[in-house]
Amino acid sequence: QQKVQQSPESLTVSEGAMASLNCTFSDGTSNNFRWYRQHSAKGLEVLVSIFSDGEKEEGRFTAHLNRANLHVSLHIREPQPSDSAVYLCAVSPYNNAGAKLTFGGGTRLTVRP
Amino acid sequence: EAAVTQSPRNKVAVTGGKVTLSCNQTNNHNNMYWYRQDTGHGLRLIHYSYGAGSTEKGDIPDGYKASRPSQENFSLILELATPSQTSVYFCASGNTEVFFGKGTRLTVV
Repeated sequence: QQKVQQSPESLTVSEGAMASLNCTFSDGTSNNFRWYRQHSAKGLEVLVSIFSDGEKEEGRFTAHLNRANLHVSLHIREPQPSDSAVYLCAVSPYNNAGAKLTFGGGTRLTVRP
Repeated sequence: EAAVTQSPRNKVAVTGGKVTLSCNQTNNHNNMYWYRQDTGHGLRLIHYSYGAGSTEKGDIPDGYKASRPSQENFSLILELATPSQTSVYFCASGNTEVFFGKGTRLTVV
């Protein structure tokens, strides 16, 4: 069964400094990796979806995938206090992004003004 | 944007009682999912469905049943609720993209 782990559990950065979040997974045949943001008491907002090794940028959010190292990361450029939230990594074995996802435990990001 | 609506948004239930959580989507998505979210565990898949009449077990199905009577509706049923089922439950739907509802906070006392 797929295992997904995120680190760190919590992260505090100053406004404008780069924030880096990590995610490791156990199944190297996984094909679909997504980062979600979750503000308190709200649903999940997809930030970046990545399907192949390398880098994928969506605005201030960049995902890096290294399937050989079973690792996907999220980098947030110029974070703002409104980016304070829980960030979730999700992995699917299928190319179809609608397939069932396995989530990590999340990283709580706090951005100080 | 695709909308997924969950009801109720908050629920307090008694141990041993029956609880039904409802989810509705009007996007004509074939796939629908029920997850629960607990601190330190992220979201874990309980049941999912590929279309009306179909339900499949996810990673943690014990203590839960699911029902998909139509393309639009997918329910999660707790026949005998227990305090360990206190959690936040999320419904999602999607074919090539996944859209989540805002969640239902369930407390079993």
